[in-house]
Amino acid sequence: AQKITQTQPGMFVQEKEAVTLDCTYDTSDPSYGLFWYKQPSSGEMIFLIYQGSYDQQNATEGRYSLNFQKARKSANLVISASQLGDSAMYFCAMREFGNAGNMLTFGGGTRLMVKP
Amino acid sequence: DGGITQSPKYLFRKEGQNVTLSCEQNLNHDAMYWYRQDPGQGLRLIYYSQIVNDFQKGDIAEGYSVSREKKESFPLTVTSAQKNPTAFYLCASSRGGGGVNTGELFFGEGSRLTVL
Repeated sequence: AQKITQTQPGMFVQEKEAVTLDCTYDTSDPSYGLFWYKQPSSGEMIFLIYQGSYDQQNATEGRYSLNFQKARKSANLVISASQLGDSAMYFCAMREFGNAGNMLTFGGGTRLMVKP
Repeated sequence: DGGITQSPKYLFRKEGQNVTLSCEQNLNHDAMYWYRQDPGQGLRLIYYSQIVNDFQKGDIAEGYSVSREKKESFPLTVTSAQKNPTAFYLCASSRGGGGVNTGELFFGEGSRLTVL
């Protein structure tokens, strides 16, 4: 079974509007962390935001916020006031703290395209 | 500046040849990882290492080998046994361990391997 599912292969958004990128996850570990990374066409992976499973509040980092719904096992990324530079691939990932390897499991990604 | 350096950025290989991708980090991180990315897809874990002289197979280790003789270095060899090696390879590191460490991965800029 997929541990991280991103159901939107591609998304368009008008510049200056907000957009939500979906992510659902599957784990039986009560302690886990959720990450979002941005990958521009150049290929590097840029860390955006982190949400811990025990965090009481939704994470925010500038224009990025995470809509964390634990009971539904979803961790959607919200980008406010989209900019042309936001056009990129976006990946949701999870770390299960009971896993000693500390590695992240990634979803298949969503390609976001910002229209001027 | 601290970071992760991957080389070469682009590499072409003939079928049947082994090739080694370099990954060096000066972040003093304990853990290092190799991921493979195919076009339009997410990242899949090849190998990871939590400490020097120790490494573990990830989800798609067949046809690959690694070594971890120094904390700073984690080279990946793509062997002739890897049936479909053309891909984008990303190296990453993290502080490892638990506690307040979120497990965020720091990535290199990637190496794009093409088999001719």
